[in-house]
Amino acid sequence: ILNVEQSPQSLHVQEGDSTNFTCSFPSSNFYALHWYRWETAKSPEALFVMTLNGDEKKKGRISATLNTKEGYSYLYIKGSQPEDSATYLCASLPSNSGYALNFGKGTSLLVTP
Amino acid sequence: DAGVIQSPRHEVTEMGQEVTLRCKPISGHNSLFWYRQTMMRGLELLIYFNNNVPIDDSGMPEDRFSAKMPNASFSTLKIQPSEPRDSAVYFCASSLSNTQYFGPGTRLTVL
Repeated sequence: ILNVEQSPQSLHVQEGDSTNFTCSFPSSNFYALHWYRWETAKSPEALFVMTLNGDEKKKGRISATLNTKEGYSYLYIKGSQPEDSATYLCASLPSNSGYALNFGKGTSLLVTP
Repeated sequence: DAGVIQSPRHEVTEMGQEVTLRCKPISGHNSLFWYRQTMMRGLELLIYFNNNVPIDDSGMPEDRFSAKMPNASFSTLKIQPSEPRDSAVYFCASSLSNTQYFGPGTRLTVL
């Protein structure tokens, strides 16, 4: 994998449903994996930064896991709420890129009541 | 802290005109990034600075684009001459370590 790939591209769930998305990234020269939450008409906000294989981070109902050997990360949202509607971006930081993040195109989540 | 400040928030200009976008990073941050967001290509890194020095400008589309960071609290991205295909949202972000903090963006429309 040369680029960061996210799936699905978009997702529509009902309030209360749990959901998850996938981020695939190059596993060679890996340094860190970032997740951002981007609401419409706002700017991306950092959710998690993960560096270690097997890492798991949690913030409220949102959690993320990391597999650096196979190059993927999952983002989970438990009991989705309408305010979770946003685009979720992941970005990889290779070890030889300084601070330049390589962003995926995001998963657009819509949660309806 | 007010966060990353960008101006203007919206810019509408005619093809051929010069456009200057401005960014004030969070005080104390030593890295600054310029991104362009389009429907087709998503969020693309154009250039980033570390301690006011350009480190990687390989994402700058062509010579019409230039960026400067004369001091730790100010950066500009200039497009001259502008073209309709430059229409996009341009984000500035700053960081001190791993996490980047994004500004509100400038929505540029070139007619």
